[in-house]
Formats: sequence, structure tokens, C-alpha cells
Amino acid sequence: GEDVEQSLFLSVREGDSSVINCTYTDSSSTYLYWYKQEPGAGLQLLTYIFSNMDMKQDQRLTVLLNKKDKHLSLRIADTQTGDSAIYFCAESKAAGNKLTFGGGTRVLVKP
Amino acid sequence: SAVISQKPSRDICQRGTSLTIQCQVDSQVTMMFWYRQQPGQSLTLIATANQGSEATYESGFVIDKFPISRPNLTFSTLTVSNMSPEDSSIYLCSVVRDRGIYGYTFGSGTRLTVV
Repeated sequence: GEDVEQSLFLSVREGDSSVINCTYTDSSSTYLYWYKQEPGAGLQLLTYIFSNMDMKQDQRLTVLLNKKDKHLSLRIADTQTGDSAIYFCAESKAAGNKLTFGGGTRVLVKP
Repeated sequence: SAVISQKPSRDICQRGTSLTIQCQVDSQVTMMFWYRQQPGQSLTLIATANQGSEATYESGFVIDKFPISRPNLTFSTLTVSNMSPEDSSIYLCSVVRDRGIYGYTFGSGTRLTVV
């Protein structure tokens, strides 16, 4: 079945890099996404990657995909206090299909 | 990207009553999704709502408990029926944009507390 897993918590100092990891079990996952949820807010799409890509960079965000190991990571460079939030990875099998979410990683940025 | 207006943003309800949550999108979309996020948990899909057809429910969710309407391409409602404290969650609607290739847009959610 579908399973997406993340570590629960990450603490990082302001200015350092954060790396959030995600593993998934279904090799047919085609689209992989990272969402950010701040307290009391909805989900904000941060970035996405297709399964035929290994890496994607978007300003401070770098996504790495290892299809062989079914491992996805999100690196946030120069982490700021405003990056404190819960980060969810999610996958879908095809465009327009439902999303399956990981459990979320709570990132706390310390000054 | 599509802008979603979800109402109410929060509510406190008595057990045994029902609450209808509205989701209005500023552009026509084919598919709308309703998710539940229980306290401290991830998001779980309740159902997929297409205009003009019955919603498709995920395992563990039934129409009698979570009836959904989708009268047109910009609007949907989710009703949480006969509520119990276990229904206390955040409920979010989501729409597909660009056929889902570039991600899904989420409403700001409805925080429901059942007492």
C-alpha cells in the first residue's frame, strides 16, 4: 500500500541549513511535493519534483530525489525564523490524482 | 494559482449536530478534494468531488457521515453529520490546478471542535 514517512522533529539554528527527509514505498509515485503549514494556516505548496528528475533548486530550496532508495529530501539554505513550521511531503501517482501525505516534520528554528 | 475561500474558518459544535463547510474557488476546476487533519496528525483524504457525479469516498469514510455536494465547477460543500468529539479536526478543501502537475491548492481550513 501507499506509505509516506517523515521524521517528526528538526531543530536548527538560524542561518544554518535544514534538511528534511521523506521516504515513500510506492515506486509508481510520479509527482512528489513539499508543503509548508504554519500555525493556524492552510498548506502552502513550496516545491515539487517529477520522478524523472534527480534534483530541483528554487532559491533557498533544494529537492533531492533518489528513486532507487525512494528517498526525497528538502534542503532549506540559510534557515530563518519564519521557516519554523510543519513540512509535509506528499506524492501522487498521476497528475490530478489524490495526494498521499507523510506525517509531517515540525521544524523549529532557534535564533 | 486558484484562490480558495473556505467557510467557516472555525466552529465549536455540540455533539449530535451537523456542520456544513463551504469551499468556493475563484476559477472553474474539475476535481475538488476534501481532507481531514486530526490534531497533531497528517492529512487524510476523505473524498474526491467531481461536478455532476457522486463523490468518491476513501476507505473509512462514508457518505452518510460526510455528505458532499458539488453543484458546479467552483463550489463544494462537506457536511460533518451527527458529530462526536472524535470529529474534532481541521477540514480542508483542495483543488487541482494545471491538472495536478504543479501541485494542489488548499483552502485555509475549518477548525472544528465538537463538545
